[in-house]
Amino acid sequence: AQSVSQHNHHVILSEAASLELGCNYSYGGTVNLFWYVQYPGQHLQLLLKYFSGDPLVKGIKGFEAEFIKSKFSFNLRKPSVQWSDTAEYFCAVNLPGGGADGLTFGKGTHLIIQP
Amino acid sequence: DAGVTQSPTHLIKTRGQQVTLRCSPKSGHDTVSWYQQALGQGPQFIFQYYEEEERQRGNFPDRFSGHQFPNYSSELNVNALLLGDSALYLCASTRGRPNTGELFFGEGSRLTVL
Repeated sequence: AQSVSQHNHHVILSEAASLELGCNYSYGGTVNLFWYVQYPGQHLQLLLKYFSGDPLVKGIKGFEAEFIKSKFSFNLRKPSVQWSDTAEYFCAVNLPGGGADGLTFGKGTHLIIQP
Repeated sequence: DAGVTQSPTHLIKTRGQQVTLRCSPKSGHDTVSWYQQALGQGPQFIFQYYEEEERQRGNFPDRFSGHQFPNYSSELNVNALLLGDSALYLCASTRGRPNTGELFFGEGSRLTVL
Protein backbone atom coordinates (compact mmCIF):
# COMPACT_ATOMS: atom_id res chain seq x y z
CA ALA A 1 0.00 0.00 0.00
CA GLN A 2 1.13 3.51 -0.66
CA SER A 3 2.04 5.98 2.10
CA VAL A 4 2.77 9.71 2.26
CA SER A 5 5.28 11.55 4.45
CA GLN A 6 5.22 15.26 5.11
CA HIS A 7 8.45 16.35 6.72
CA ASN A 8 7.40 19.52 8.46
CA HIS A 9 4.45 19.41 10.83
CA HIS A 10 4.65 23.07 11.80
CA VAL A 11 6.12 25.90 9.75
CA ILE A 12 6.20 29.57 10.70
CA LEU A 13 7.15 32.17 8.11
CA SER A 14 6.98 35.92 7.71
CA GLU A 15 4.99 37.51 4.92
CA ALA A 16 6.86 37.67 1.59
CA ALA A 17 9.10 34.73 2.53
CA SER A 18 9.40 31.84 0.13
CA LEU A 19 7.72 28.55 0.98
CA GLU A 20 8.55 24.94 0.28
CA LEU A 21 6.67 22.09 1.95
CA GLY A 22 8.07 18.62 1.52
CA CYS A 23 6.08 15.56 0.50
CA ASN A 24 7.38 12.08 -0.25
CA TYR A 25 5.37 9.02 -1.15
CA SER A 26 6.19 5.35 -1.12
CA TYR A 27 4.94 3.41 -4.10
CA GLY A 28 6.95 1.98 -6.93
CA GLY A 29 4.43 2.47 -9.70
CA THR A 30 2.57 5.34 -11.30
CA VAL A 31 0.64 7.58 -8.93
CA ASN A 32 -1.66 10.57 -8.97
CA LEU A 33 -0.57 13.34 -6.59
CA PHE A 34 -2.51 16.08 -4.85
CA TRP A 35 -2.13 18.97 -2.43
CA TYR A 36 -5.20 19.91 -0.41
CA VAL A 37 -5.52 22.94 1.87
CA GLN A 38 -7.73 23.67 4.84
CA TYR A 39 -8.03 27.34 5.79
CA PRO A 40 -9.12 28.12 9.37
CA GLY A 41 -12.81 27.34 9.81
CA GLN A 42 -13.20 26.04 6.28
CA HIS A 43 -13.39 22.65 4.60
CA LEU A 44 -10.62 20.86 2.77
CA GLN A 45 -10.18 22.03 -0.81
CA LEU A 46 -7.96 21.07 -3.71
CA LEU A 47 -4.90 23.25 -4.24
CA LEU A 48 -3.40 21.41 -7.21
CA LYS A 49 -3.02 17.94 -8.71
CA TYR A 50 -0.66 15.96 -10.93
CA PHE A 51 -1.78 13.07 -13.09
CA SER A 52 0.74 13.06 -15.94
CA GLY A 53 2.64 15.34 -18.32
CA ASP A 54 4.58 18.43 -17.23
CA PRO A 55 5.98 17.64 -13.77
CA LEU A 56 5.66 21.29 -12.73
CA VAL A 57 2.05 21.87 -11.79
CA LYS A 58 0.48 25.23 -11.07
CA GLY A 59 -2.46 25.58 -8.73
CA ILE A 60 -4.62 28.26 -7.22
CA LYS A 61 -3.36 31.32 -5.33
CA GLY A 62 0.14 31.21 -6.82
CA PHE A 63 1.06 27.76 -5.53
CA GLU A 64 2.99 25.25 -7.60
CA ALA A 65 4.40 21.77 -7.06
CA GLU A 66 7.07 19.75 -8.79
CA PHE A 67 6.88 16.00 -9.27
CA ILE A 68 10.32 14.40 -9.14
CA LYS A 69 9.85 10.74 -9.90
CA SER A 70 13.40 9.71 -8.98
CA LYS A 71 12.97 11.19 -5.52
CA PHE A 72 9.34 10.08 -5.03
CA SER A 73 8.63 13.69 -4.12
CA PHE A 74 5.92 16.26 -4.79
CA ASN A 75 6.98 19.39 -2.94
CA LEU A 76 4.73 22.43 -2.72
CA ARG A 77 6.18 25.88 -3.35
CA LYS A 78 5.18 29.52 -3.34
CA PRO A 79 7.67 32.34 -4.02
CA SER A 80 6.11 34.88 -1.66
CA VAL A 81 3.59 33.92 1.01
CA GLN A 82 0.79 36.07 2.37
CA TRP A 83 -0.88 36.16 5.76
CA SER A 84 -3.94 34.57 4.13
CA ASP A 85 -1.91 31.45 3.35
CA THR A 86 -2.09 30.44 7.00
CA ALA A 87 -3.68 26.99 6.83
CA GLU A 88 -3.18 23.24 7.13
CA TYR A 89 -1.68 21.67 4.00
CA PHE A 90 -2.08 18.00 3.11
CA CYS A 91 -0.26 16.02 0.46
CA ALA A 92 -2.16 13.01 -0.91
CA VAL A 93 -1.70 10.19 -3.41
CA ASN A 94 -3.79 7.57 -5.13
CA LEU A 95 -3.36 5.09 -7.92
CA PRO A 96 -4.28 5.75 -11.56
CA GLY A 97 -7.62 4.39 -12.70
CA GLY A 98 -9.18 5.55 -9.49
CA GLY A 99 -9.03 9.27 -10.10
CA ALA A 100 -9.31 10.94 -6.70
CA ASP A 101 -10.82 7.83 -5.19
CA GLY A 102 -9.28 6.29 -2.11
CA LEU A 103 -6.76 9.02 -1.37
CA THR A 104 -3.91 8.37 1.05
CA PHE A 105 -3.11 11.58 2.92
CA GLY A 106 -0.02 12.70 4.80
CA LYS A 107 -0.33 13.97 8.37
CA GLY A 108 -0.38 17.57 7.24
CA THR A 109 1.72 20.69 7.73
CA HIS A 110 0.39 23.54 9.82
CA LEU A 111 1.61 26.76 8.19
CA ILE A 112 1.48 30.04 10.09
CA ILE A 113 2.31 33.27 8.29
CA GLN A 114 3.21 36.16 10.55
CA PRO A 115 2.37 39.67 9.29
CA ASP B 1 -25.19 25.85 -5.41
CA ALA B 2 -24.88 23.93 -2.15
CA GLY B 3 -21.64 22.15 -1.53
CA VAL B 4 -21.27 18.96 0.47
CA THR B 5 -23.41 19.05 3.58
CA GLN B 6 -23.00 16.81 6.61
CA SER B 7 -25.05 16.22 9.72
CA PRO B 8 -24.83 16.34 12.62
CA THR B 9 -21.87 18.67 13.08
CA HIS B 10 -21.10 17.45 16.58
CA LEU B 11 -22.22 14.49 18.63
CA ILE B 12 -21.26 12.64 21.78
CA LYS B 13 -21.74 8.91 22.27
CA THR B 14 -20.66 6.34 24.82
CA ARG B 15 -18.68 3.17 24.22
CA GLY B 16 -20.71 0.36 22.71
CA GLN B 17 -23.31 2.63 21.15
CA GLN B 18 -24.01 3.01 17.47
CA VAL B 19 -23.90 6.18 15.38
CA THR B 20 -25.18 7.25 11.97
CA LEU B 21 -23.71 10.18 10.09
CA ARG B 22 -25.27 11.69 7.01
CA CYS B 23 -23.97 13.37 3.88
CA SER B 24 -25.49 15.12 0.89
CA PRO B 25 -23.10 15.45 -2.05
CA LYS B 26 -22.52 18.55 -4.10
CA SER B 27 -25.10 19.08 -6.81
CA GLY B 28 -24.24 17.02 -9.89
CA HIS B 29 -22.02 14.57 -8.00
CA ASP B 30 -22.82 10.89 -7.78
CA THR B 31 -19.86 9.44 -5.86
CA VAL B 32 -19.43 9.78 -2.12
CA SER B 33 -16.38 8.89 -0.04
CA TRP B 34 -15.95 8.89 3.72
CA TYR B 35 -12.78 9.72 5.62
CA GLN B 36 -11.83 9.61 9.29
CA GLN B 37 -9.53 12.34 10.59
CA ALA B 38 -8.12 11.83 14.07
CA LEU B 39 -6.63 14.80 15.91
CA GLY B 40 -3.28 15.79 14.43
CA GLN B 41 -3.55 13.32 11.57
CA GLY B 42 -4.49 13.45 7.92
CA PRO B 43 -7.80 12.03 6.72
CA GLN B 44 -7.94 8.23 6.35
CA PHE B 45 -10.06 6.67 3.64
CA ILE B 46 -12.92 4.55 4.96
CA PHE B 47 -14.91 3.67 1.82
CA GLN B 48 -16.50 5.00 -1.34
CA TYR B 49 -19.99 4.59 -2.75
CA TYR B 50 -21.07 4.83 -6.36
CA GLU B 51 -24.36 3.65 -7.86
CA GLU B 52 -25.49 2.64 -4.37
CA GLU B 53 -22.68 0.13 -3.99
CA GLU B 54 -19.47 0.16 -1.96
CA ARG B 55 -16.73 0.39 -4.60
CA GLN B 56 -13.55 0.76 -2.58
CA ARG B 57 -12.73 0.25 1.08
CA GLY B 58 -9.83 1.31 3.24
CA ASN B 59 -8.40 -0.52 6.22
CA PHE B 60 -11.38 -0.22 8.55
CA PRO B 61 -13.22 -3.01 10.39
CA ASP B 62 -16.70 -4.21 9.53
CA ARG B 63 -18.08 -2.08 12.37
CA PHE B 64 -17.92 0.68 9.80
CA SER B 65 -20.64 0.36 7.20
CA GLY B 66 -22.39 2.65 4.81
CA HIS B 67 -25.19 3.17 2.40
CA GLN B 68 -25.91 5.31 -0.61
CA PHE B 69 -29.43 6.29 -1.58
CA PRO B 70 -30.91 6.81 -5.06
CA ASN B 71 -30.55 10.59 -4.63
CA TYR B 72 -26.76 10.00 -4.10
CA SER B 73 -26.82 10.98 -0.42
CA SER B 74 -25.00 8.67 1.92
CA GLU B 75 -24.84 7.43 5.49
CA LEU B 76 -21.93 6.19 7.54
CA ASN B 77 -22.76 3.81 10.37
CA VAL B 78 -20.39 2.81 13.13
CA ASN B 79 -21.40 0.03 15.52
CA ALA B 80 -19.99 -0.91 18.93
CA LEU B 81 -18.21 2.42 19.32
CA LEU B 82 -14.73 2.48 20.82
CA LEU B 83 -12.90 5.40 22.40
CA GLY B 84 -10.57 5.33 19.40
CA ASP B 85 -13.44 6.11 17.06
CA SER B 86 -13.43 9.68 18.34
CA ALA B 87 -12.55 11.76 15.29
CA LEU B 88 -13.77 14.14 12.63
CA TYR B 89 -15.64 12.23 9.92
CA LEU B 90 -15.43 13.82 6.52
CA CYS B 91 -17.62 13.21 3.53
CA ALA B 92 -16.32 14.00 0.05
CA SER B 93 -18.10 13.91 -3.27
CA THR B 94 -17.11 13.85 -6.89
CA ARG B 95 -18.58 12.91 -10.22
CA GLY B 96 -17.88 9.27 -10.95
CA ARG B 97 -17.75 9.48 -14.75
CA PRO B 98 -15.66 11.32 -15.82
CA ASN B 99 -13.62 11.86 -12.70
CA THR B 100 -11.72 15.13 -12.58
CA GLY B 101 -9.66 14.00 -9.61
CA GLU B 102 -11.03 16.78 -7.40
CA LEU B 103 -12.82 15.81 -4.22
CA PHE B 104 -15.23 18.28 -2.63
CA PHE B 105 -15.27 17.92 1.14
CA GLY B 106 -17.88 18.77 3.70
CA GLU B 107 -17.04 20.40 7.01
CA GLY B 108 -17.31 17.12 8.86
CA SER B 109 -19.09 15.53 11.79
CA ARG B 110 -17.08 15.55 14.99
CA LEU B 111 -17.73 12.42 17.01
CA THR B 112 -16.68 12.13 20.63
CA VAL B 113 -16.90 8.71 22.28
CA LEU B 114 -16.84 8.70 26.08
